[in-house]
Amino acid sequence: KNQVEQSPQSLIILEGKNCTLQCNYTVSPFSNLRWYKQDTGRGPVSLTIMTFSENTKSNGRYTATLDADTKQSSLHITASQLSDSASYICVVSFNTGGFKTIFGAGTRLFVKA
Amino acid sequence: DGGITQSPKYLFRKEGQNVTLSCEQNLNHDAMYWYRQDPGQGLRLIYYSQIVNDFQKGDIAEGYSVSREKKESFPLTVTSAQKNPTAFYLCASSMVPDTQYFGPGTRLTVL
Repeated sequence: KNQVEQSPQSLIILEGKNCTLQCNYTVSPFSNLRWYKQDTGRGPVSLTIMTFSENTKSNGRYTATLDADTKQSSLHITASQLSDSASYICVVSFNTGGFKTIFGAGTRLFVKA
Repeated sequence: DGGITQSPKYLFRKEGQNVTLSCEQNLNHDAMYWYRQDPGQGLRLIYYSQIVNDFQKGDIAEGYSVSREKKESFPLTVTSAQKNPTAFYLCASSMVPDTQYFGPGTRLTVL
């Protein structure tokens, strides 16, 4: 069964600290993996996208990694800011007789002053 | 100013009523999608359309209907057949199979 699992479910960190969010997937055949940031009550916004051949992608203080062999991805946030408080969603796409996408349930990050 | 818009932001419905959620995009994207988001769950696909006048059911299409008469517009109707419609609804568009761009969402509450 194609699945995307994220951990932890929620996370509280102090402003200025780093954190890493995890995403494991069982999707096959893999096409690409995206990380989205979703502020409360808003639509998700794309942070990074990685294909099979890419193992790291950065967007400012956000760095995503991908290990296609172990089917794991992580999102590392450096020097967190209060505005980083949001849900972070891992999204995996695959192509099997049609292009399909599975969304993880997200990790809820709270950054405290 | 390019983007994807949804209206209304908040919507209240009485049981037994049909309601229609609007989604418009001026990004010239071929594909448009409707998702439902419930607390603690990932987004679930309701319907999607890859071309005008064509659309496909997603994973949870029962109780919903859509139309795609124009490239820019993909309205979603939540019918009275949808047993638990209270949720946050998100519309997205993309150039298949590119990144999906999401609208701001509509929060539907059944009274």
